[in-house]
Amino acid sequence: DVKVTQSSRYLVKRTGEKVFLECVQDMDHENMFWYRQDPGLGLRLIYFSYDVKMKEKGDIPEGYSVSREKKERFSLILESASTNQTSMYLCASNPSPPLQKQYFGPGTRLTVT
Amino acid sequence: GEDVEQSLFLSVREGDSSVINCTYTDSSSTYLYWYKQEPGAGLQLLTYIFSNMDMKQDQRLTVLLNKKDKHLSLRIADTQTGDSAIYFCAESSGDSSASKIIFGSGTRLSIRP
Repeated sequence: DVKVTQSSRYLVKRTGEKVFLECVQDMDHENMFWYRQDPGLGLRLIYFSYDVKMKEKGDIPEGYSVSREKKERFSLILESASTNQTSMYLCASNPSPPLQKQYFGPGTRLTVT
Repeated sequence: GEDVEQSLFLSVREGDSSVINCTYTDSSSTYLYWYKQEPGAGLQLLTYIFSNMDMKQDQRLTVLLNKKDKHLSLRIADTQTGDSAIYFCAESSGDSSASKIIFGSGTRLSIRP
């Protein structure tokens, strides 16, 4: 079974802190994604990566950066957390397109106070 | 850009069939997907359909695709309380390594006794 794990289920940070969210997948998938999920807005893509050290901006990259130094690990970084980044963050991975069966982690609920 | 739309809520009686609808705009969609999200969890792929098919059945799940109208539906037969969840429709159209999936905003299915 494919497994996608996220470093924390719940996280509370203060405004201005630097925040790291880590995601690890164990199925040698090329593509990895970070989404945020907010009520009524569905999933919004922040960044994705299709290879080591490769990254592409999604729909809402402002305020975020990512790092993919190893194929199995994709990190999301909030350089200076703000209250409007309070959200559920979901990581996903899938093998190369065209069939993109995405496997999701359990999510990290981040609260910025 | 591409868009995927679904209604936000659906309520059905236990034992009845549930039909969740979705429309999309990308005429070059290759695959269409249905994901399920249970409370506090990440998304789980339920089923998918290739764009040259018009129906796919998998136990209690039936997916219908009307490519002309760009309409996708998910029918759940004999709906049970365990089917309570948010259901997301999604589509992908690219075959390059940098392709991504477009998700709808999700339909929350609730079951009445």
